[in-house]
Amino acid sequence: AQSVAQPEDQVNVAEGNPLTVKCTYSVSGNPYLFWYVQYPNRGLQFLLKYITGDNLVKGSYGFEAEFNKSQTSFHLKKPSALVSDSALYFCAVRDYGGYNKLIFGAGTRLAVHP
Amino acid sequence: DTAVSQTPKYLVTQMGNDKSIKCEQNLGHDTMYWYKQDSKKFLKIMFSYNNKELIINETVPNRFSPKSPDKAHLNLHINSLELGDSAVYFCASSQGGLAGRETQYFGPGTRLLVL
Repeated sequence: AQSVAQPEDQVNVAEGNPLTVKCTYSVSGNPYLFWYVQYPNRGLQFLLKYITGDNLVKGSYGFEAEFNKSQTSFHLKKPSALVSDSALYFCAVRDYGGYNKLIFGAGTRLAVHP
Repeated sequence: DTAVSQTPKYLVTQMGNDKSIKCEQNLGHDTMYWYKQDSKKFLKIMFSYNNKELIINETVPNRFSPKSPDKAHLNLHINSLELGDSAVYFCASSQGGLAGRETQYFGPGTRLLVL
């Protein structure tokens, strides 16, 4: 069965420092991977996705993610964190069973301190 | 312009009641979804419709019944509400839903509290 893991419940980083939010996946076949962000009391906002092609994917708000097939990882990164990046981040993988069924990780809370 | 909208935003009700949540998207998408986010923020898909046809139906109690009157609308009706139904329900939509690579766009959520 397809699955995705976000090993960290929370990530703390100082403003201006680089940030990484980790995601690993387990799928049969080629993975379709997504990152979403959820601000307090808001819906999920799409950040970026990997379908095929270049392993480094650039997305919204200066975020990028690197697809690593050998390590089955899709970590989210940003070179310089902002306090406004503080939110809940979800990694998701398409379930290979069919259609557009996404399986979400448990989420990682990112706290950026001034 | 709101792309995916849900009503109501908040819903507080008593156990045993029946309630509906409505979702509308103005993105021209042909696939819509319902997700449930529990108190631990865990997100799970419940249903999906493509062109008004049910294509994903997860293991959800049959007290939950989705209805899609047209491609732009997907409603969720819940009968005999239980305490465990308290959650945030998100609607989402995508253009196409069959290949698995389409981006899903989420609504703001409906916060349901069952007392």
